[in-house]
Amino acid sequence: GNSVTQMEGPVTLSEEAFLTINCTYTATGYPSLFWYVQYPGEGLQLLLKATKADDKGSNKGFEATYRKETTSFHLEKGSVQVSDSAVYFCALLEAAGNKLTFGGGTRVLVKP
Amino acid sequence: DAGITQSPRHKVTETGTPVTLRCHQTENHRYMYWYRQDPGHGLRLIHYSYGVKDTDKGEVSDGYSVSRSKTEDFLLTLESATSSQTSVYFCAISEGQGGNQPQHFGDGTRLSIL
Repeated sequence: GNSVTQMEGPVTLSEEAFLTINCTYTATGYPSLFWYVQYPGEGLQLLLKATKADDKGSNKGFEATYRKETTSFHLEKGSVQVSDSAVYFCALLEAAGNKLTFGGGTRVLVKP
Repeated sequence: DAGITQSPRHKVTETGTPVTLRCHQTENHRYMYWYRQDPGHGLRLIHYSYGVKDTDKGEVSDGYSVSRSKTEDFLLTLESATSSQTSVYFCAISEGQGGNQPQHFGDGTRLSIL
């Protein structure tokens, strides 16, 4: 079956540091890939997505590139802010499907 | 923000009691989903609906039932709650299937079974 593996946290950074969260997946066919962010006490918000190989999703300074050859979708941001402190989830959606498979989540804490 | 309202937001109840969680949407989206979120597991799909009265099981459906009598409402029922069902429950909606129809989530219901 499908699966998503992402690095365990917590990841603790200083403001303006570079952030990378690794995400790799196992799936048949050509899934779509997503990053969701969850702020404390809230639901998940879609951060960015990519629907085919070599697509780059970007939003709010975050980027991730769909790498089929390495089955990866790593999330990056060049300069984090305290407000980026949250839990980040990588997820895949099977092609033309509607069942999301999530990774376990990575908690990020950005200190001033 | 997607128009999704979950109720109640918090609930504490006892083992063996029935519990119903409600998800209400104002987007007129066809698809609705229930997930549970547990530490280290991310979110796991319980049940989903692809139209009024049309539902299907997800990954962790045992012990749960759902109903959708109107487009805007999707109910999740625990017929006889157990402590293993203590979790945070999220509803999600999507307009269609596939990567260009992403799912949008409600703010969750924190359920504690004592």
